[in-house]
Amino acid sequence: KQEVTQIPAALSVPEGENLVLNCSFTDSAIYNLQWFRQDPGKGLTSLLLIQSSQREQTSGRLNASLDKSSGRSTLYIAASQPGDSATYLCAVNTDKLIFGTGTRLQVFP
Amino acid sequence: GAVVSQHPSRVICKSGTSVKIECRSLDFQATTMFWYRQFPKQSLMLMATSNEGSKATYEQGVEKDKFLINHASLTLSTLTVTSAHPEDSSFYICSAGGGTGKNEQYFGPGTRLTVT
Repeated sequence: KQEVTQIPAALSVPEGENLVLNCSFTDSAIYNLQWFRQDPGKGLTSLLLIQSSQREQTSGRLNASLDKSSGRSTLYIAASQPGDSATYLCAVNTDKLIFGTGTRLQVFP
Repeated sequence: GAVVSQHPSRVICKSGTSVKIECRSLDFQATTMFWYRQFPKQSLMLMATSNEGSKATYEQGVEKDKFLINHASLTLSTLTVTSAHPEDSSFYICSAGGGTGKNEQYFGPGTRLTVT
């Protein structure tokens, strides 16, 4: 059974710091992995999708890497801003999405 | 990216009544739609996979007679919570994707259900 874990569960940092959020999964047989952002009481915003054959994807200040063999993905956020405050979810796709436990990020001015 | 809508965004109902939530893919045809629920400060849990023209596939522990799913067209799936109880209060989110589930999923904005 696929299990997805995210570390840390919560993170509070001052503005400007570079951050690394971690996601690990137990079964490497995945089609792709997605990172999402969720603001309180809102739906999901897709940030990055990495296909199983890819190693990383970049969008602006965000960079996501995937090491399928070791069951790990990281989301790197450069020069964090207060507007980055949200919950970040990773999800692996095995014909259906299995979500991680989430990392609650707070960036303070 | 593709657009998925949900209606209503919020609903309050009395215990024992039924509530229908709609999920629409606005600019693409979705052969597969997924329904999730999310309790406060928890992650999304898949409830069921909805395939156009066939019966939904429910995850273990999800009562199919309580959570009725209909996927009558390539752009619409509905989730009906029957005989709702306060413990059904949750945030319900749908997603849609073209082709099989391995394709990228696009998420709706969610529906907040409160059962009093």
